[in-house]
Amino acid sequence: EAQVTQNPRYLITVTGKKLTVTCSQNMNHEYMSWYRQDPGLGLRQIYYSMNVEATDKGDVPEGYKVSRKEKRNFPLILESPSPNQTSLYFCASSLRTSRGDTQYFGPGTRLTVL
Amino acid sequence: GENVEQHPSTLSVQEGDSAVIKCTYSDSASNYFPWYKQELGKRPQLIIDIRSNVGEKKDQRIAVTLNKTAKHFSLHITETQPEDSAVYFCAASRSGGYQKVTFGTGTKLQVIP
Repeated sequence: EAQVTQNPRYLITVTGKKLTVTCSQNMNHEYMSWYRQDPGLGLRQIYYSMNVEATDKGDVPEGYKVSRKEKRNFPLILESPSPNQTSLYFCASSLRTSRGDTQYFGPGTRLTVL
Repeated sequence: GENVEQHPSTLSVQEGDSAVIKCTYSDSASNYFPWYKQELGKRPQLIIDIRSNVGEKKDQRIAVTLNKTAKHFSLHITETQPEDSAVYFCAASRSGGYQKVTFGTGTKLQVIP
């Protein structure tokens, strides 16, 4: 089954404790992206990757890191989480085709930083 | 950078009526405009998209129109049904969605049976 998976789905942590949210897709998509969703602010892009070893900042990259060493994986790293990073995080991937660039979203990771 | 404004933030319609959601964008180089539907507790899902070389696109009860000159695009849902109730997001990006993507803040649509 074609899908985007994220782990963990729920995480409660404390300020300053490094964490990684994993994202994996099995559709051989070149493009992957991370978003955070906050009430009233919609979806805001954190980082995106056009392909392996090719990443770039989105609109809200501060406090986050990413890496794309393999095509299928795009982990999101919070080196020193703070309470303002409490949010719902979505990973997404897409394949560029002549018919369009449908982004497929993962199920989301709800992060709480105390 | 790109800025996408979306209106209204909430919209209530009677079942069977039409719903229209509007978005404006600021970057004239944006050329890809997708719309996503997010049901409560679920992930966003693409429902329709349009590229800048097309003025209108339809898919059954939903349609999107694009006015490049005015830099705005709209989602039209006809014959609304209760299952259309959700939050809808517009977005804009350059290079067909292969670069930075900027989303609107969302419209919560309620279809009243």
